[in-house]
Amino acid sequence: NAGVTQTPKFQVLKTGQSMTLQCAQDMNHEYMSWYRQDPGMGLRLIHYSVGAGITDQGEVPNGYNVSRSTTEDFPLRLLSAAPSQTSVYFCASSGPRDRPNTGELFFGEGSRLTVL
Amino acid sequence: SQQGEEDPQALSIQEGENATMNCSYKTSINNLQWYRQNSGRGLVHLILIRSNEREKHSGRLRVTLDTSKKSSSLLITASRAADTASYFCATPLYNFNKFYFGSGTKLNVKP
Repeated sequence: NAGVTQTPKFQVLKTGQSMTLQCAQDMNHEYMSWYRQDPGMGLRLIHYSVGAGITDQGEVPNGYNVSRSTTEDFPLRLLSAAPSQTSVYFCASSGPRDRPNTGELFFGEGSRLTVL
Repeated sequence: SQQGEEDPQALSIQEGENATMNCSYKTSINNLQWYRQNSGRGLVHLILIRSNEREKHSGRLRVTLDTSKKSSSLLITASRAADTASYFCATPLYNFNKFYFGSGTKLNVKP
């Protein structure tokens, strides 16, 4: 059982480049989310999705796009990378929806992004 | 702004001692969760306590919740070097659609 899989694990971009961070889960979870983790800032929610075709913004959505065409996948797109987006990105999932009081998040191992 | 904040930011103890870390939050919650993060890894769920519970145990972990003070504490008893990690509290909001995390307590257990 793979859980939550993130790719790539490491990426270096130049300012202005675009890229997509991939996230896939095999637990049939309806809820998926993206966080960024910066030193001393904890985790901040970027975007989340409560099911295929449904996405919404978190605390820090600017500069990022998401889509949810399948239950399994929730990619995060950086449209035009900026040095301020240098961070560690985590994808997390939770579910199933018929057990909402569980609420436990399952995390991937992270994607470390550096923007030069 | 952060919903949950941990205290202290860093804690260094000897193996065998107990470690206590605290979390404060701002709004009403349905439950509060604690997570652990080893260096360079993803977060792992430790324990969940519901708003109608005051205390919960799981192995060497003991969590308390005081909704009147909007605070929670995590106690790790008889700590081990392997407990060295960062610990975060998390509060799900809006019917679990948003989880907010504090900035974490970095625990160092010296052998």
